[in-house]
Amino acid sequence: DIQMTQSPSSLSASVGDTVTITCRASQGISIYLAWYQQKPGRVPKLLVYAATNLQSGVPSRFSGSGSGTHFTLTITNLQPEDVATYYCQKYNSAPRITFGPGTKVEIK
Amino acid sequence: QVQLVESGGGVVQPGRSLTLSCAASDFTFSTYAMHWVRQAPGEGLEWVAAISYDGSEESYADSVKGRFTISRDNSKNTAYLQMSSLRAEDTAVFYCAKGGERYSHGSTYINSWGQGTLVTVSS
Repeated sequence: DIQMTQSPSSLSASVGDTVTITCRASQGISIYLAWYQQKPGRVPKLLVYAATNLQSGVPSRFSGSGSGTHFTLTITNLQPEDVATYYCQKYNSAPRITFGPGTKVEIK
Repeated sequence: QVQLVESGGGVVQPGRSLTLSCAASDFTFSTYAMHWVRQAPGEGLEWVAAISYDGSEESYADSVKGRFTISRDNSKNTAYLQMSSLRAEDTAVFYCAKGGERYSHGSTYINSWGQGTLVTVSS
């Protein structure tokens, strides 16, 4: 099975900072990678699909990049409302749809 | 606005069965794959199962294969998750979720989520 890892597992940054979260697949998954944001006590929300496509309505300070085995989610100009846990998800083939372990983002 | 409303959660004893339902509205249900995703208390997201838009293909996480069955009734705009031989480690909030691409056989990202229903497996 393809394993998904994320780094870091948590981070603390200041408002206005640029934050980068990395997601790695143990084998190539082309661009079949999505990113989700889950705020405390809330339902997950799709941010990015197909590695780089921003979901409608998501602020442009969020961006995704990568292909194959290495992907990144970048948040520029970090805002207080971005406090959340971020998950990557691979979907290149069922039955192996897999979420990464998550990255918790906090504000300093 | 897509609406997904789960029901059927509750407290169940280990080894027993439970069926979750997901009532969908405000989109063409029959053209999208549907997923179930769960989240144990304080833990991350775990994909559980998916079913193709027409119900012809099902897929499962290894942790539930042989115990859980996903199904759908396109005439009722409803998806289901039948859970049997429940274990304490199945305790979680179960989310019904909609695939993001039309006519998918299951391998899609998720672009809409229900509010979730809590399943507690305890004696």
